[in-house]
Amino acid sequence: EAQVTQNPRYLITVTGKKLTVTCSQNMNHEYMSWYRQDPGLGLRQIYYSMNVEVTDKGDVPEGYKVSRKEKRNFPLILESPSPNQTSLYFCASSLTERGISTNEKLFFGSGTQLSVL
Amino acid sequence: QKEVEQNSGPLSVPEGAIASLNCTYSDRGSQSFFWYRQYSGKSPELIMSIYSNGDKEDGRFTAQLNKASQYVSLLIRDSQPSDSATYLCAVKWNGGATNKLIFGTGTLLAVQP
Repeated sequence: EAQVTQNPRYLITVTGKKLTVTCSQNMNHEYMSWYRQDPGLGLRQIYYSMNVEVTDKGDVPEGYKVSRKEKRNFPLILESPSPNQTSLYFCASSLTERGISTNEKLFFGSGTQLSVL
Repeated sequence: QKEVEQNSGPLSVPEGAIASLNCTYSDRGSQSFFWYRQYSGKSPELIMSIYSNGDKEDGRFTAQLNKASQYVSLLIRDSQPSDSATYLCAVKWNGGATNKLIFGTGTLLAVQP
């Protein structure tokens, strides 16, 4: 089954304790991205990757890191989480169309609800 | 500031009625427009894309685009309780080194049986 798999589904942690949220897709998509979703603010992009070893900042990158060593995996790292990073996080990947990495038709993972105390 | 605006709702319609969801955007140069549906507690899923002025129909869904007025809408005919969800409008801004996809905050649709 074609899917984007995020883990964990729920995570409660404390301020300053490093954590990683994993994301993996099995559709051979070149484009991958991380979003956070907060009430009243909608989906905001954190980081994205057009292809392996190519990553770039989205609209709210502060406090986050990513890496793209393999096409299928795109982990999100919070080196020192703070309470303002409490949010619902989504990983997404997108079809490559006509050989071009594109962000147009996103497939989302099931989400990670993060609480930082 | 590139913006995509939607009425947060809730938009309440009776079963069998037409639900009309609207979205306006600020960047006149935007070229690609998408509607995602998000059930409560779930992830968004793409239901429609539209690139040209006019209507695009897919089953009970019709997307409408008017670039001159900078709005895009989604019509859901014969609304069903299973259509109750938040509908996110997304607009692709073509500019700079990358093409950004900007989401609205969504409209909550409630279809009453």
